[in-house]
Amino acid sequence: DAEITQSPRHKITETGRQVTLACHQTWNHNNMFWYRQDLGHGLRLIHYSYGVQDTNKGEVSDGYSVSRSNTEDLPLTLESAASSQTSVYFCASSNDPKGLAPPGVVIFGPGTRLTVL
Amino acid sequence: QQPVQSPQAVILREGEDAVINCSSSKALYSVHWYRQKHGEAPVFLMILLKGGEQKGHEKISASFNEKKQQSSLYLTASQLSYSGTYFCGTEIGVAGGYQKVTFGIGTKLQVIP
Repeated sequence: DAEITQSPRHKITETGRQVTLACHQTWNHNNMFWYRQDLGHGLRLIHYSYGVQDTNKGEVSDGYSVSRSNTEDLPLTLESAASSQTSVYFCASSNDPKGLAPPGVVIFGPGTRLTVL
Repeated sequence: QQPVQSPQAVILREGEDAVINCSSSKALYSVHWYRQKHGEAPVFLMILLKGGEQKGHEKISASFNEKKQQSSLYLTASQLSYSGTYFCGTEIGVAGGYQKVTFGIGTKLQVIP
């Protein structure tokens, strides 16, 4: 069955370290997204990609970067981790509007809980 | 810009009904509704497209008022399994058909016996 996987599921790191969160999907979706979830803020978009070699900044992109070298993966890198980046991170993917019905449904991965000390 | 959801939290007894509202300041192409259980990922409930009809999913349905950029989620005869946080997500139509969904803060719904 198709799925989205994230690794690691839990991560503790120190301020200033570089951290990379992995996201892999086997839905063959072109669109991939990274959201962070914090109490009182809901789900906020960090970065997104509409296809290989395409990346775009979301609402809260400062301190984060992504790269898309293939359809299946969109790793999220925190260049220099800060305590404000402690959060739960969700990777998600969706089909193109012209794809298989229902179009545009966003499918979420299980999440990564990141703690920056 | 995040859509605005109301109420932020609601407590229901089993069998009662609830309405969750979602509004945007921008013209919308679609509205999505998701439910998240504690410690889990959000799960898709339904999507309403511009020009589409009201959608239904078991005893959960939703409407989309394009003129007002508003959507409402209706939960009837609530069950304990309905407990969770409900998110609306809004999509602004972009040339080329690509989409990104912006989510609201969420509405925490608790159903008690």
